[in-house]
Amino acid sequence: AQSVTQLDSHVSVSEGTPVLLRCNYSSSYSPSLFWYVQHPNKGLQLLLKYTSAATLVKGINGFEAEFKKSETSFHLTKPSAHMSDAAEYFCVVSEGPGRRALTFGSGTRLQVQP
Amino acid sequence: DTGVSQDPRHKITKRGQNVTFRCDPISEHNRLYWYRQTLGQGPEFLTYFQNEAQLEKSRLLSDRFSAERPKGSFSTLEIQRTEQGDSAMYLCASSPKGTDSPLHFGNGTRLTVT
Repeated sequence: AQSVTQLDSHVSVSEGTPVLLRCNYSSSYSPSLFWYVQHPNKGLQLLLKYTSAATLVKGINGFEAEFKKSETSFHLTKPSAHMSDAAEYFCVVSEGPGRRALTFGSGTRLQVQP
Repeated sequence: DTGVSQDPRHKITKRGQNVTFRCDPISEHNRLYWYRQTLGQGPEFLTYFQNEAQLEKSRLLSDRFSAERPKGSFSTLEIQRTEQGDSAMYLCASSPKGTDSPLHFGNGTRLTVT
């Protein structure tokens, strides 16, 4: 079975400083990987996805993630945090060929201090 | 595109009662998913429909849970004989055909079992 581990449950940064949210995955296949964001009282929204094309994936709102097979990592970064980035972020892996289920990590809550 | 709609937003019920939730996906999406999210955790996959066919079910979906999508449009999730452990946010998502098409999530139905 596939799994993801989000290494930090909470991350706090100052506005204008870089963001790094860490994710490691475990997969028997070549996985598809995603990052989703959940703002309070709003539905989950896809930030970006990796599906075996370019290893550096650009998403919405200035976020990007790099797939590193040797490290089994898919960390999410942003050069400069904005107050509106404060939310819960989930690293997600697909279950494998022919499977539609996604496995979500436990989430990282990002706080952005003024 | 009016997004994925879930009804009700909140449901409070007494232990032992039955509850039913409804999900209206984005109209042109033929795939529909149910997930459950408890406090502090990422969403957990429950089940998946392609059109009216239920193609995947998680082991989390006990005999007390049943989901239907009778005409390949809206879906219902019923929980019979609710237990306090069923208290969670129930999320519906839909996606179009295509490998790794992004999921569009609704805002969820929050169930509280007293």
